[in-house]
Amino acid sequence: QSALTQPASVSGSPGQSITISCTGTSSDVGRYDYVSWYQQHPGKAPKLLIYDVTNRPSGVSNRFSGSKSGNTASLTISGLQADDEADYYCSSYSISSPWVFGGGTKLTVV
Amino acid sequence: EVQLVESGGGLVKPGGSLRLSCETSGFTFSDHSMAWVRQAPGKGLEWVSSISASGSYISYSDSVKGRFTISRDSARNSLSLLMSSLRVEDTAMYYCTRDFGLGDFWGQGTLVAVSS
Repeated sequence: QSALTQPASVSGSPGQSITISCTGTSSDVGRYDYVSWYQQHPGKAPKLLIYDVTNRPSGVSNRFSGSKSGNTASLTISGLQADDEADYYCSSYSISSPWVFGGGTKLTVV
Repeated sequence: EVQLVESGGGLVKPGGSLRLSCETSGFTFSDHSMAWVRQAPGKGLEWVSSISASGSYISYSDSVKGRFTISRDSARNSLSLLMSSLRVEDTAMYYCTRDFGLGDFWGQGTLVAVSS
């Protein structure tokens, strides 16, 4: 069982927006502003999309945005594209285990 | 260009040992903490171990503590993970990643399979 809870799957149509949630506790997501999001295509390494809750690394599309409220962080993808179909993982610093991940969410673009 | 290249994976019997390496380039290795993250087949990401930029601070997940040893060689710009007393549940793709807790760059991974 992963430390952070994500929905197993979400779907959306091209052009739409979707949001993926990442629920933790007051020991991780709620305590630190060190939430990151990663995109992983099949057979590939994870790619950093969002760090420190809301920041995008250079080169990441502004269609990806992050936010946090209480113990829940969220990743929003706007203007869905076919290439956005992938697995998405959140992570956070944690009191109990320095770096914890969510179980992952499979995004399907239908 | 930042590059991380893992090697050393393979098939090993339960109880065996394996040493993974991560060769890095394109950045000042001694300025960055490093970490190993693994992913079992069809499963999610799991932090395994991390080491500070200086090498002074090291941490392990409870699942590998006492069995795995992380180290770094600044002269060779490389990161290592010595894995011993391997278990079937250690079977996974092992990724090397830069900056513990951030993971701004990842290698392509090296596959470790533990099976009799």
